[in-house]
Amino acid sequence: KAGVTQTPRYLIKTRGQQVTLSCSPISGHRSVSWYQQTPGQGLQFLFEYFSETQRNKGNFPGRFSGRQFSNSRSEMNVSTLELGDSALYLCASSKRTGGDYGYTFGSGTRLTVV
Amino acid sequence: TQLLEQSPQFLSIQEGENLTVYCNSSSVFSSLQWYRQEPGEGPVLLVTVVTGGEVKKLKRLTFQFGDARKDSSLHITAAQPGDTGLYLCAGINNDMRFGAGTRLTVKP
Repeated sequence: KAGVTQTPRYLIKTRGQQVTLSCSPISGHRSVSWYQQTPGQGLQFLFEYFSETQRNKGNFPGRFSGRQFSNSRSEMNVSTLELGDSALYLCASSKRTGGDYGYTFGSGTRLTVV
Repeated sequence: TQLLEQSPQFLSIQEGENLTVYCNSSSVFSSLQWYRQEPGEGPVLLVTVVTGGEVKKLKRLTFQFGDARKDSSLHITAAQPGDTGLYLCAGINNDMRFGAGTRLTVKP
């Protein structure tokens, strides 16, 4: 079965611009979580969506936002990009939320802000 | 400050050696997962532990969840170059939070 698909795979943006990243979960998975991974901070939780509702949010500024569509696909948006936003953005999908269900990660979107 | 502290941060060993990596927290988790991540890819789930004191084995990998469900360890027996990667633990309550990881290099 198809895994978690993230697009685009690589992205270069200029400081001040905005960016939208996409995540298509495994068919049947209704939970999508987003993470930012940097060498210095590791994997930091951004937010989780379940059935089109944001369930949890990490400690990121309001420039980071997301949404989930009725087909469970999710997008995250970063506005007014800063150099420090350069990172690997990962999404993970799961059948349900808040439990010991396995999460499947996509390969990520590598965002570089110049 | 990480919710989960992993140690060591880096580990470089020879093929055939044994190793243990640790994941510690002051928080109690309903479950804990271990992932392995290779360069350019997302983390891949290795195991989920749910019960305090639980031990799970996956071939040469042994995972243990602490009695108080605050910590965990991963032991690899007779490490192989294919075990090289970033090992991440993740504590789960209402959401999933990761440790910073242990970067393991196994030299042939």
